[in-house]
Amino acid sequence: SYVLSQPPSVSVAPGQTATISCEENNIGSKSVHWYQQKPGQAPILVIYYDRDRPSGIPERFSGSNSGNIATLTISRVEAGDEADYYCQVWDRSTDVVFGGGTTLTVL
Amino acid sequence: QVQLQQWGAGLVKPSETLSLTCVVEGESFIDYYWSWIRQAPGKGLEWVGEINHNGKTNYKPSLKSRLSISVDTSKRQISLKLSSVTAADTAVYYCARREDSSFGRLDHWGQGTQVTVSS
Repeated sequence: SYVLSQPPSVSVAPGQTATISCEENNIGSKSVHWYQQKPGQAPILVIYYDRDRPSGIPERFSGSNSGNIATLTISRVEAGDEADYYCQVWDRSTDVVFGGGTTLTVL
Repeated sequence: QVQLQQWGAGLVKPSETLSLTCVVEGESFIDYYWSWIRQAPGKGLEWVGEINHNGKTNYKPSLKSRLSISVDTSKRQISLKLSSVTAADTAVYYCARREDSSFGRLDHWGQGTQVTVSS
């Protein structure tokens, strides 16, 4: 089965850069998507196709994917970025797979 | 702009059937898969299953024996039924649109429906 590994939590001070990883063997061969979920709300797509941003998502959000690790980077972190973040891939044999999620805390 | 509105019973007794509906407003109903994702209290996102406009379904293997997802294209509605529920099925259930490709992003989500399994 396909298991996407994310760190449970990441903490960063305002104005700094947050990096959230998503690891699986050869994940670089797949297209990775990232979702932000704030308490009590539905997830929203913040990065798709490894590095593209939907309209309305700040340029501070960026992504990369290579080898065994995909990364979501949030530059100049703001208090409003505090949320849970999930990576996701689709595979013909396993369908939709989510990572376990990472809680971003802004100190 | 597409919007997904969902509804269903919020309280279900153990061993009974959970039923939810999601209606799609706005853009094209075809060319996509319509997924159900759930989130147990304090836990992460779990994909449950999906259907396209032709009725082709994909189910999470561990739920397959209890799960049924159907589509009514004339009403642009997707329905989920999960039978023989237990407390482990307590979760917020979301419907979401997934692009029908090898990329599979979920770009629009419903507001979520809290379902509690309790007697």
